[in-house]
Amino acid sequence: DQQVKQNSPSLSVQEGRISILNCDYTNSMFDYFLWYKKYPAEGPTFLISISSIKDKNEDGRFTVFLNKSAKHLSLHIVPSQPGDSAVYFCAASLTDSWGKLQFGAGTQVVVTP
Amino acid sequence: ETGVTQSPTHLIKTRGQQVTLRCSSQSGHNTVSWYQQALGQGPQFIFQYYREEENGRGNFPPRFSGLQFPNYSSELNVNALELDDSALYLCASSFAGQGKDTQYFGPGTRLTVL
Repeated sequence: DQQVKQNSPSLSVQEGRISILNCDYTNSMFDYFLWYKKYPAEGPTFLISISSIKDKNEDGRFTVFLNKSAKHLSLHIVPSQPGDSAVYFCAASLTDSWGKLQFGAGTQVVVTP
Repeated sequence: ETGVTQSPTHLIKTRGQQVTLRCSSQSGHNTVSWYQQALGQGPQFIFQYYREEENGRGNFPPRFSGLQFPNYSSELNVNALELDDSALYLCASSFAGQGKDTQYFGPGTRLTVL
C-alpha cells in the first residue's frame, strides 16, 4: 500500500527556471514531510522538511508547500542549477513513528543548460 | 565528524543463501534505520534500532533481522535469500530527540541475488 506517491517519474527543466516537484499522500495522520535528494552511488541527502502545522517552509533556493486538505505537497527549486540534476524523494512520517519514513518512488530531475 | 558508512558496496549471492550487511552510524547517533530500495522505487522501511533494541518494523518477513551494537554500529541479516531481495539496502542513523530531519543515510549496499 503506497501511502506516498510521486506521479511524475521525470522532470526536465532549463537552467535558471523553476522546478516544481509534486507529492501526494493518503494517510491524513502523517504530520511531518521531508524531501531528500539522491545522486547515483550516494545515499539520499536531506534537503528540506515541513511540519503539518505549517503550509510553507523556505531554505535558500528550496521551498516546500503543504496543502493538508488536498494531502499534497510540492517542492519548488528556484533558480534551477545543473547541480540540481538528481532523483528527488518525498517522504512522510508520523509523530509516534519518528525515523520510520515512508518514501515516494522519486522524480528524476534533469536541468539542461 | 564521520558520516554513515556501509559495507560491502556490492554483493552477489545465490537464492537460499544468507547475507550480512553492515552499517557504521555517524558519530554520536544512537538510532539506526534500515531501508530496502528496489529498482525504480523509493526506499521501504525495514526496521529501526534504538539503544540496541528493535524499535519498529515495516512489512518485512522475519528472515530479515538486525542487530545494533553498543558502539551503535548495526547489521542487517537476511536468511533464505529470494530473487526479489535484490535491491539497494540503505541504513540511516540519527540521534533520537534531535528532530525528525536529522536522518543521515549511507551510500548503500547493492545486493544481487541470482
